[in-house]
Amino acid sequence: AQTVTQSQPEMSVQEAETVTLSCTYDTSESNYYLFWYKQPPSRQMILVIRQEAYKQQNATENRFSVNFQKAAKSFSLKISDSQLGDTAMYFCAFMNLGGGGGSNYKLTFGKGTLLTVNP
Amino acid sequence: DTGVSQNPRHKITKRGQNVTFRCDPISEHNRLYWYRQTLGQGPEFLTYFQNEAQLEKSRLLSDRFSAERPKGSFSTLEIQRTEQGDSAMYLCASSLAITTNEKLFFGSGTQLSVL
Repeated sequence: AQTVTQSQPEMSVQEAETVTLSCTYDTSESNYYLFWYKQPPSRQMILVIRQEAYKQQNATENRFSVNFQKAAKSFSLKISDSQLGDTAMYFCAFMNLGGGGGSNYKLTFGKGTLLTVNP
Repeated sequence: DTGVSQNPRHKITKRGQNVTFRCDPISEHNRLYWYRQTLGQGPEFLTYFQNEAQLEKSRLLSDRFSAERPKGSFSTLEIQRTEQGDSAMYLCASSLAITTNEKLFFGSGTQLSVL
């Protein structure tokens, strides 16, 4: 079974600065995706970014980028030029894509990090 | 593309009553998922469908929970004889099963309160 750990329950950052959220995971699978989802106070779960495990290049989406360290099973999210609208819970999630006998195509989430962007 | 739609948004019920939630996925999405989320926690997987087939069900899921997706489009999640511990946000998500582009899109959820 896969596990996802987010060790920072809460973080805060000043507007326009950069913040990094940490995530580690444990799996014996080799073919998987990793995701960061954002959940603002409205509780709508919004996809932020996705990383394919077979890709060495780190994914980027505008102000969001990841640092994917496969050997260390680490997947951190960097938010640059933080904005007030980035205030939300951020969840790291794992999806197995099959081939290793494990449970496939469902997301396993961490417990989340509450990010507050201060003006 | 109108997104994943869930109804109702809120449901208050008395312990012992049955409740049913509906989820309409993004059109053409063949996978549909149900998750449960309690305050301060990440979503917990309940079950998922590919088309009308229920492919996996969490071992944590009580027999009081049942889900259907009769025509491979919308899905319903029913909870029988509700308990206070069932109070949570119930999230639905859908995806298009292309292994090179797996992304789940979530609805706004149904908040269940059992009194």
